[in-house]
Amino acid sequence: NAGVTQTPKFQVLKTGQSMTLQCAQDMNHNSMYWYRQDPGMGLRLIYYSASEGTTDKGEVPNGYNVSRLNKREFSLRLESAAPSQTSVYFCASKRRTALSGANVLTFGAGSRLTVL
Amino acid sequence: ILNVEQSPQSLHVQEGDSTNFTCSFPSSNFYALHWYRWETAKSPEALFVMTLNGDEKKKGRISATLNTKEGYSYLYIKGSQPEDSATYLCASGGGADGLTFGKGTHLIIQP
Repeated sequence: NAGVTQTPKFQVLKTGQSMTLQCAQDMNHNSMYWYRQDPGMGLRLIYYSASEGTTDKGEVPNGYNVSRLNKREFSLRLESAAPSQTSVYFCASKRRTALSGANVLTFGAGSRLTVL
Repeated sequence: ILNVEQSPQSLHVQEGDSTNFTCSFPSSNFYALHWYRWETAKSPEALFVMTLNGDEKKKGRISATLNTKEGYSYLYIKGSQPEDSATYLCASGGGADGLTFGKGTHLIIQP
């Protein structure tokens, strides 16, 4: 059971280049998320998709676009990369715990992006 | 956007000692409080989810409590071991729009 898979794990871009981070989950989760992690800032939500066919902005959406291709896949696109987007990006999906009913996030391994 | 705060930011503890740290969150419109353990070069892993005021959860030497009326949660580690070294994240929310994370407490256990 792979869980949440992100690709690529590492990427170096030049300012102005575009790229897409891919995320797929095999747990039949409805909700998927993209977070970025920066030193001293914790995890900040970029975009999320509560269900297939819907996407919504999180705390720091500027400079990003997302696509919920199907229930399994949620991609994050940088149209024109900037140095401020140098970060580690985490994709996550949500399951429902049996006892509490609250939703726990399962994270991917992260994608380290450097924009020069 | 919720304001979730954790303290201290970092903590050095001697092996064998017990320790605890704090997460504060808005008490209004509370849904759930999560604790995650994040080891270097890995992804965060869920420790606990709590939803009810007074909830207490335990997993081995790690436990957590929740006070939703005053908006805080404590994480306790008893008899710290080197493998407990990690960043501990708390997060509030959990509805359809995801979780808001604190900045974490970076715990270092010194042999």
